[in-house]
Amino acid sequence: DIQMTQSPSSLSASVGDRVTITCRASQSIGTYLNWYQQKPGRAPGLLIYAVASLQSGVPLRFSGSGSGTDFTLTISSLQPEDFATYYCQQTYSTPWTFGQGTKVGIK
Amino acid sequence: QVQLQESGPGLVKPSQTLSLTCTVSGGSISGGGYYWNWIRQHPGKGLEWIGNIYYSGSTYYNPSLKSRVTISVDTSKNQLSLKLNSVTAADTAVYYCARSPAYGGNPTWLDYWGQGTLVTVSS
Repeated sequence: DIQMTQSPSSLSASVGDRVTITCRASQSIGTYLNWYQQKPGRAPGLLIYAVASLQSGVPLRFSGSGSGTDFTLTISSLQPEDFATYYCQQTYSTPWTFGQGTKVGIK
Repeated sequence: QVQLQESGPGLVKPSQTLSLTCTVSGGSISGGGYYWNWIRQHPGKGLEWIGNIYYSGSTYYNPSLKSRVTISVDTSKNQLSLKLNSVTAADTAVYYCARSPAYGGNPTWLDYWGQGTLVTVSS
């Protein structure tokens, strides 16, 4: 199985901060990398697919980059509704696997 | 707007079979173009992909669960189902169904999710 490792596991930030979350795959996954946002008690929602494509309706402050084994999710200016847990996922090969999650909290 | 809704027992006894249904509205499973997935999340933990199915019946399963899992579709009811047998407390989780667009015949990301249903395994 391909292991996905996110860092940090949690972070505290203020509204307006620039936030960066990284995701590293245990082997090259090309551009088969997606990002999800999950709020407490809710299902995850797709933010970014294929590394850098923004899902319809997702604010432009979210962006993704990377290729191969190293990927990044950036929130350019953190908003109150962005406090949540973020997961990366690889769909390069089955079984699909997720990172352990990064919880973005309020400083 | 596609909507997915999971349903099934919230409590299952150890060694029994967990059975869940996901009803899809706003889109037809038999229309093709999508794979239909099951994912679970243990309490307070991360996400685990269980497997998926195409309307034709083609399936992919997570090898860690493959011996106990069956995913099927009922196109007449526009539903997919999950059966997980010989359950233990370790199968206690929130179970989600989700849709994956198919590109080049392969499933991709998970673009629509159900709200999830908590299944507890306990005697």
